[in-house]
Amino acid sequence: AQSVTQPDIHITVSEGASLELRCNYSYGATPYLFWYVQSPGQGLQLLLKYFSGDTLVQGIKGFEAEFKRSQSSFNLRKPSVHWSDAAEYFCAVVHGGYQKVTFGTGTKLQVIP
Amino acid sequence: DTGVSQNPRHKITKRGQNVTFRCDPISEHNRLYWYRQTLGQGPEFLTYFQNEAQLEKSRLLSDRFSAERPKGSFSTLEIQRTEQGDSAMYLCASSLAGRGATEAFFGQGTRLTVV
Repeated sequence: AQSVTQPDIHITVSEGASLELRCNYSYGATPYLFWYVQSPGQGLQLLLKYFSGDTLVQGIKGFEAEFKRSQSSFNLRKPSVHWSDAAEYFCAVVHGGYQKVTFGTGTKLQVIP
Repeated sequence: DTGVSQNPRHKITKRGQNVTFRCDPISEHNRLYWYRQTLGQGPEFLTYFQNEAQLEKSRLLSDRFSAERPKGSFSTLEIQRTEQGDSAMYLCASSLAGRGATEAFFGQGTRLTVV
């Protein structure tokens, strides 16, 4: 079945430490890939997206993600986490003929001082 | 503001009541989507419109739910005889159909609490 998997439900990092959030997808062809961030009670903000081309994509707030076709992965990274990055992060894919988005279950990031 | 607008932002209702939410998409976007997000989960697709035509409905959209987009602009999502299980964040998104258009933009959502 087609799916998006975020294996880490909850991650805690220290402020200033590096961060990697994992995402794997299961689709027949490479879908369009996205990372969104959601603060409590808020809507979704797009961090970055991958459609084609360079497999390392840069996003807002210092985030980047790398698409690895061989691993069906699209992991999100940030070299130095800030306290304001505490939020929930969703990996998502768009596939098919229109922009219907399928989301992973999310990873909640806690940042400790 | 040219983003996707949703109203109200919050709604508390008693079980059994009907509620209606509104979504105003980005003005030139002809595709509109509704999603539902329950606590601790990612958003799940409910339904999709292209202009005024509702082209896909999820199994999640029970017969108590109805969505409309009468003039191909704003959309409403109505829930009849609300149940506690309907408590969730309801998100609307819009996008532009056409070559190279590959991204949907999300609103801030309407949080529904059924008591």
